[in-house]
Amino acid sequence: EAGVTQSPTHLIKTRGQQATLRCSPISGHTSVYWYQQALGLGLQFLLWYDEGEERNRGNFPPRFSGRQFPNYSSELNVNALELEDSALYLCASSFRQGYSNQPQHFGDGTRLSIL
Amino acid sequence: GENVEQHPSTLSVQEGDSAVIKCTYSDSASNYFPWYKQELGKGPQLIIDIRSNVGEKKDQRIAVTLNKTAKHFSLHITETQPEDSAVYFCAPGGQNFVFGPGTRLSVLP
Repeated sequence: EAGVTQSPTHLIKTRGQQATLRCSPISGHTSVYWYQQALGLGLQFLLWYDEGEERNRGNFPPRFSGRQFPNYSSELNVNALELEDSALYLCASSFRQGYSNQPQHFGDGTRLSIL
Repeated sequence: GENVEQHPSTLSVQEGDSAVIKCTYSDSASNYFPWYKQELGKGPQLIIDIRSNVGEKKDQRIAVTLNKTAKHFSLHITETQPEDSAVYFCAPGGQNFVFGPGTRLSVLP
């Protein structure tokens, strides 16, 4: 079974540019999550998509946005990049969340570096 | 919002010893309690989880215990091996998906 795949592995941008990160979930999973992990720090929840809809959003500015496609893959877009956006961006997928949370399966991330 | 803490933040043990990491949380509605392991250069990997109707779960050398009244759950690793060296995160369930700050475990040969 193929795991969660993310692309690109590394991305280098300059301040003010826009970045697009992509994620393909495990087959059968309908929920996709995005997290930011700054160097040496923990995971900060960004966005949760399920069945094409944004279900929840973390405490991040609106320039962080995304979408989920009909095949359940997802994009994370970051506009007007700032130096502090340099981080590892992790995508995870799971079966649909119900009353009780589902285990999340993570990709290996996209390392975004802002120069 | 949910407040999640982990103790200790770093832990060094000799190979073969046991390691215990504790996670405390504030949201009494949490009903799912996983532990993730993150190795260098990799994404987190689920290693064990427990639901609120169970007090303990074991999988070979790894176990998780839950005290819902006191709002904490713990990861227990026995007979530690060098490949157990990693950062471990707890993530008590809730739809704000809050992860603990992580515990760096080093197993010394």
